[in-house]
Amino acid sequence: EDQVTQSPEALRLQEGESSSLNCSYTVSGLRGLFWYRQDPGKGPEFLFTLYSAGEEKEKERLKATLTKKESFLHITAPKPEDSATYLCAVCEGGSEKLVFGKGMKLTVNP
Amino acid sequence: DTGVSQDPRHKITKRGQNVTFRCDPISEHNRLYWYRQTLGQGPEFLTYFQNEAQLEKSRLLSDRFSAERPKGSFSTLEIQRTEQGDSAMYLCASSLARSSLAKNIQYFGAGTRLSVL
Repeated sequence: EDQVTQSPEALRLQEGESSSLNCSYTVSGLRGLFWYRQDPGKGPEFLFTLYSAGEEKEKERLKATLTKKESFLHITAPKPEDSATYLCAVCEGGSEKLVFGKGMKLTVNP
Repeated sequence: DTGVSQDPRHKITKRGQNVTFRCDPISEHNRLYWYRQTLGQGPEFLTYFQNEAQLEKSRLLSDRFSAERPKGSFSTLEIQRTEQGDSAMYLCASSLARSSLAKNIQYFGAGTRLSVL
């Protein structure tokens, strides 16, 4: 069973069309949930980390929220430069490793 | 540039050959991680070091894989007798942790793309 599930797998938006990406997780003792952005041929770029239910973080057009079972990455008025793969990962109690979902490929058309 | 540095960026090898990758973490970071990523998948954890000690290894890390961090600074990942299934992007990350409860923000390098022919 996957510990981290991201949906949708791919999303196409028009510039300015807001949307949300979902990351659901099943781990015990969540130490942290992480969002990364990955451009083709590059390593993941850190965006946010959330540690407890109810926590929210914002950066430019992105806002991440966390509940006990899932996290959302809200994208407000996206621009073409927001096109990338967005990865969600969790860190479970007793381990230092990140467990990633498969990612969500976002394409924003001008 | 003070980010995580990986070398080489690309490696093409023939099946059965040995390959070695290098990772230089962000200076002062005491933890270093190796992940593997295949097309359409998220990164998968391989192993991690705190200073020079290798503290966790994935079952994905077969006997053909070995990683070292001899002086607690840079790390090497060696794959012996490469197989076509080893073709992937190998990512290195580093973090600074002062205690077991410290926030574990991992910063990634650009990766080494391995192609086994």
